[in-house]
Amino acid sequence: GAVVSQHPSRVICKSGTSVKIECRSLDFQATTMFWYRQFPKQSLMLMATSNEGSKATYEQGVEKDKFLINHASLTLSTLTVTSAHPEDSSFYICSAIRDREFYYGYTFGSGTRLTVV
Amino acid sequence: GQSLEQPSEVTAVEGAIVQINCTYQTSGFYGLSWYQQHDGGAPTFLSYNGLDGLEETGRFSSFLSRSDSYGYLLLQELQMKDSASYFCAVRDEGGKLIFGQGTELSVKP
Repeated sequence: GAVVSQHPSRVICKSGTSVKIECRSLDFQATTMFWYRQFPKQSLMLMATSNEGSKATYEQGVEKDKFLINHASLTLSTLTVTSAHPEDSSFYICSAIRDREFYYGYTFGSGTRLTVV
Repeated sequence: GQSLEQPSEVTAVEGAIVQINCTYQTSGFYGLSWYQQHDGGAPTFLSYNGLDGLEETGRFSSFLSRSDSYGYLLLQELQMKDSASYFCAVRDEGGKLIFGQGTELSVKP
């Protein structure tokens, strides 16, 4: 089955620093990857859609200059949280799909728990 | 836009059957999915309904009525390990998956 690897699983950083999260599709080429954020006891909120070789599309209210997304290859997308602050502490999860027809069985990475101190 | 409603929490005992309902409002419909998420883990795909009716996958079944904009997830022979959050989700035309608020299922002995 499709496997998506996300790294790191946990990260603690100081306020004002930047953190990069990687999302890799291990056994398939992901034409599209999605980035979600989840606060405790809440739902997954879509942050942005990432297509290989093009700029990411951000959801309303998500600061594109703060959450930098790069999808440089068909197997790798990165999310960089720039100048992180305590309110950015959250669980970040990526998901990937093979092609635009394989919609219903999205595969998710294991998530990254970011704590900003 | 899309919006989904599901109960915030459900409690049941081991061996029982539980149904988690989901109603949705979408501008265009491209299927209803269900995901399970254990605390601190990633969501895992459970089931998908693109057409009306019941889909069965082992102890889990999912139902869809497009005319009622309604679906449910049915879990049978509940086990302690089924304690988790369950999310219904709809996909939009661009492929984005939009999640409901989640239902926290607690299975008691």
